[in-house]
Amino acid sequence: QSALTQPASVSGSPGQSITISCTGTSSDIGAYNVVSWYQQHPGKAPKLMIYEVTKRPSGVSDRFSASKSGNTASLTISGLQAEDEADYYCCSYADSSISVFGGGTKLTVL
Amino acid sequence: EVQLVESGGGLVQPGGSLRLSCAASGFALTSYSMTWVRQAPGKGLEWVSYISSGSSTIYYADSVKGRFTISRDNAKNSLYLQMNSLRAEDTAVYYCARVLGYYDSSGYYPIDYFDYWGQGTLVTVSS
Repeated sequence: QSALTQPASVSGSPGQSITISCTGTSSDIGAYNVVSWYQQHPGKAPKLMIYEVTKRPSGVSDRFSASKSGNTASLTISGLQAEDEADYYCCSYADSSISVFGGGTKLTVL
Repeated sequence: EVQLVESGGGLVQPGGSLRLSCAASGFALTSYSMTWVRQAPGKGLEWVSYISSGSSTIYYADSVKGRFTISRDNAKNSLYLQMNSLRAEDTAVYYCARVLGYYDSSGYYPIDYFDYWGQGTLVTVSS
């Protein structure tokens, strides 16, 4: 199972909005509403930000939202803050490998 | 407070073995499926293995199948990963994580999302 495809990097200025895409196939993202997103700061463990495509766990800012269309999922961060600078990973249930991550996107807040 | 603490990492020669442990606290381990996820230095996350709450269902990534064995001891609140025939490409930080499953009209999916993660333990395979 190949990794889901994410852009290597995105950037934005404080207060702006950015969107990170995550492209899979009809055997993972396209087939299941089982997409999650994780934030990882350097040297830290990943943190769950979104699950089941659009749901936010308790304690996650409502500046984080997500969606899915076809084989592509997207994470949007609005009102960018310096603390949002981190790596972001998408993850999906997959037919063959049960779980597959994206390659990760480094978000830089300018 | 949910806590997951990994241990057992270290330096091992290619072909060697290592056993990782994950100590769980703050929740009833017996009620949850668990997983191992790894991250090679400077690289992305890679799912490694899954075990259901009662150990009846186990999955492995193709990259470790036949070499790694996941197990758990609910009485000891612990998760394990026995790693044999280690290769340089197994070098990574290994995280244990709690797993939630997902039901819909089509069936049950064992991995929905990972809601709690440990801090990780570094495994280095090198001569």
